Amino acid sequence: KAGVTQTPRYLIKTRGQQVTLSCSPISGHRSVSWYQQTPGQGLQFLFEYFSETQRNKGNFPGRFSGRQFSNSRSEMNVSTLELGDSALYLCASSFNSGQQGNTIYFGEGSWLTVV
Amino acid sequence: AQSVTQLGSHVSVSEGALVLLRCNYSSSVPPYLFWYVQYPNQGLQLLLKYTSAATLVKGINGFEAEFKKSETSFHLTKPSAHMSDAAEYFCAVSETGGFKTIFGAGTRLFVKA
Repeated sequence: KAGVTQTPRYLIKTRGQQVTLSCSPISGHRSVSWYQQTPGQGLQFLFEYFSETQRNKGNFPGRFSGRQFSNSRSEMNVSTLELGDSALYLCASSFNSGQQGNTIYFGEGSWLTVV
Repeated sequence: AQSVTQLGSHVSVSEGALVLLRCNYSSSVPPYLFWYVQYPNQGLQLLLKYTSAATLVKGINGFEAEFKKSETSFHLTKPSAHMSDAAEYFCAVSETGGFKTIFGAGTRLFVKA
């Protein structure tokens, strides 16, 4: 069974540009969540999607957005990139949403460097 | 709101020594607790999960964790450290009502030869 797949793995962007990251969840998983990981802030929750609907959102500016498609694949977009957006962006999927104890499984992440 | 505190951002042990990584949680309802491990340049991998079935949970790679409600703790242990255990470890709790998992700040484990 394939795991969570994230593309691209590495990318470099310039300040002011925008970026789109893609995530394919484990087959059968309907929930996709995104996290930002930086050395200073650790793992920060961005948002979570279930059946194409955003169910929860972290404390990030509106420049960060996402969406989920009918096949559960998800994308996140960051517009007007800032140097501080340089981070590892992790996607995670789970079978269901809204249930405690629901285990999430992570992809290997997309490394974004903003210069 | 639920939260997780990991005590010690860095822990160093000798190969063969006991590994103890500390995690305390805050929750107003019975929590579901997790430990994840992250190796360099990789995503997070589930080590083990507590779901109230048993207070002592065994995970992969010889790790285990014990849920102690009276101490609101879920510490991770391994009897004998191996060089391959060097990584960052995250404790996490799932929030009441679901939708997101809250992670601790992480503890980086160093293993000395």
